[in-house]
Amino acid sequence: GAGVSQSPRYKVAKRGQDVALRCDPISGHVSLFWYQQALGQGPEFLTYFQNEAQLDKSGLPSDRFFAERPEGSVSTLKIQRTQQEDSAVYLCASSLVGRGGRDTQYFGPGTRLTVL
Amino acid sequence: GQQVMQIPQYQHVQEGEDFTTYCNSSTTLSNIQWYKQRPGGHPVFLIQLVKSGEVKKQKRLTFQFGEAKKNSSLHITATQTTDVGTYFCAGEGYSTLTFGKGTMLLVSP
Repeated sequence: GAGVSQSPRYKVAKRGQDVALRCDPISGHVSLFWYQQALGQGPEFLTYFQNEAQLDKSGLPSDRFFAERPEGSVSTLKIQRTQQEDSAVYLCASSLVGRGGRDTQYFGPGTRLTVL
Repeated sequence: GQQVMQIPQYQHVQEGEDFTTYCNSSTTLSNIQWYKQRPGGHPVFLIQLVKSGEVKKQKRLTFQFGEAKKNSSLHITATQTTDVGTYFCAGEGYSTLTFGKGTMLLVSP
């Protein structure tokens, strides 16, 4: 596609509900990243995929967070039993080949999650 | 873990004035990137600096990477209202890309 797309753009969940956030990276991009951006803060790394392999999940804040990219393209970030502190914008980024600074990361518009 | 600090948090200038934001890392970086995020938008890549002491220019924007590869700066000459947004630096150390908290720039006409 022309850019990274994410859905839904906005999600309101009641505390305790499970949510699933979707990311469609740029076609052909090998690397995919998830970030969490709280209000007034910079994006914080959550997890990284190279194709279908999850190579780094060190940023996931708890075992309630789970990400997958089964076919090396679309990725889903799942949050179980959501808590109020999970409220944030979840950003997905993809890059053509390498990780981090070796290749430009292109960000999607984000999903704004509000947990009531 | 790696920390990236940015100052100032916020700056309000008159159109035509210059603006500078500074970024400091707690560890030596392999490279540093700069992003711009408009209000309600997502981060957009501006530039990457890799070499010690590197200076790059994009029109009115000048980016510098320190000799020790632990600090960087972004300078905007003669700001315009279109420069409004939050500017983030992001440093890559061993693996993860770590973002600073950003500097929010407001420009009054």
